[in-house]
Amino acid sequence: ETGVTQSPTHLIKTRGQQVTLRCSSQSGHNTVSWYQQALGQGPQFIFQYYREEENGRGNFPPRFSGLQFPNYSSELNVNALELDDSALYLCASSSPGQGGNTIYFGEGSWLTVV
Amino acid sequence: EDQVTQSPEALRLQEGESSSLNCSYTVSGLRGLFWYRQDPGKGPEFLFTLYSAGEEKEKERLKATLTKKESFLHITAPKPEDSATYLCAVQGGDNFNKFYFGSGTKLNVKP
Repeated sequence: ETGVTQSPTHLIKTRGQQVTLRCSSQSGHNTVSWYQQALGQGPQFIFQYYREEENGRGNFPPRFSGLQFPNYSSELNVNALELDDSALYLCASSSPGQGGNTIYFGEGSWLTVV
Repeated sequence: EDQVTQSPEALRLQEGESSSLNCSYTVSGLRGLFWYRQDPGKGPEFLFTLYSAGEEKEKERLKATLTKKESFLHITAPKPEDSATYLCAVQGGDNFNKFYFGSGTKLNVKP
């Protein structure tokens, strides 16, 4: 168990809808990053949040947005859902400077867009 | 372009048959190389972090090594419970907060 918890675990949305995924980071971790993992692929970096600010972003369009709260929990929001957004969304937390840069993942949220 | 390539894509072993998984990478300014294990439907589970060429880490039947261009995950006398997808990731490049993942090696250990 990493202590990173995500919700919901599974959800189904219709194309064009919006979705919010939530993540609670491991105790003591102040940095949260989000990844998208399509079936049979490795995780792809979406963005990272540190002290409530986005401080790194991958090749994802602006309809992917996020928030980090003072307690270091985080949300991933996706607007105007497309069929290709169907994937496992992973949250990972870390605390740079403590034991290096290792990130620890939650179990993920499975999103299906129909 | 920063990238990570893992081979083979899939590997089938008999219980007790040792082998190695490969992770080759091209990234400027490597900050760390990471190995994760992922079971079906689960999030990746952290195994090792390697920071510099020549470094080695061990955990039970697994041993990870690092050179300037690649890393190996050696599995000694595997058991069926070692069956999983093994992911390699590197941190570095222009976006130093980003982890670049390979597509993984799916390991199946038969009893």
